[in-house]
Amino acid sequence: NAGVTQTPKFQVLKTGQSMTLQCAQDMNHNSMYWYRQDPGMGLRLIYYSASEGTTDKGEVPNGYNVSRLNKREFSLRLESAAPSQTSVYFCASSAGTGQRNTIYFGEGSWLTVV
Amino acid sequence: TQLLEQSPQFLSIQEGENLTVYCNSSSVFSSLQWYRQEPGEGPVLLVTVVTGGEVKKLKRLTFQFGDARKDSSLHITAAQPGDTGLYLCAGGGRGNKLVFGAGTILRVKS
Repeated sequence: NAGVTQTPKFQVLKTGQSMTLQCAQDMNHNSMYWYRQDPGMGLRLIYYSASEGTTDKGEVPNGYNVSRLNKREFSLRLESAAPSQTSVYFCASSAGTGQRNTIYFGEGSWLTVV
Repeated sequence: TQLLEQSPQFLSIQEGENLTVYCNSSSVFSSLQWYRQEPGEGPVLLVTVVTGGEVKKLKRLTFQFGDARKDSSLHITAAQPGDTGLYLCAGGGRGNKLVFGAGTILRVKS
């Protein structure tokens, strides 16, 4: 089973460039998330989608946009990349948004902005 | 802002030793989850605790949720090299959003 698949795995961008991180899940989950992980700071929620057709800001949404394309896919876009956005990005999904739901994570996308 | 503080940040021990990792907050959480993350992979859920004072065991791992639901601990008995990884706690926060601690990096040497 693929679970949560995100692409690309690695990307180097120049400051000001744009890019989209793609994410798809095959577990028929309603909720999807984008997190970033930085050393010493744990995982921080960027945006989430509780269900198809809805998106909401998380803890650190500035500089990002998202699209819930359909139930399977949730993309994250950086319109004008900045060095502060160098991080590891994780897409995740869960059946619902209840606090007892298991969240399944992808393998991560390493992004470097120079 | 709800915050979770994990301690220690790093832990390097010999195979067979016992260890405890702590997750503390000044806020009350309705649930607490523990994840384990290996290099190059995403976090994987180990356990969810939901009741104050709850203790859950997963083989050599024992998880406890504090009575006041503000803290949790993970105890590993007779650690093995396969336990090496980053351990993250996460609390059920406002609006059903999880709040993650910064993590504890565990290295078990054989």
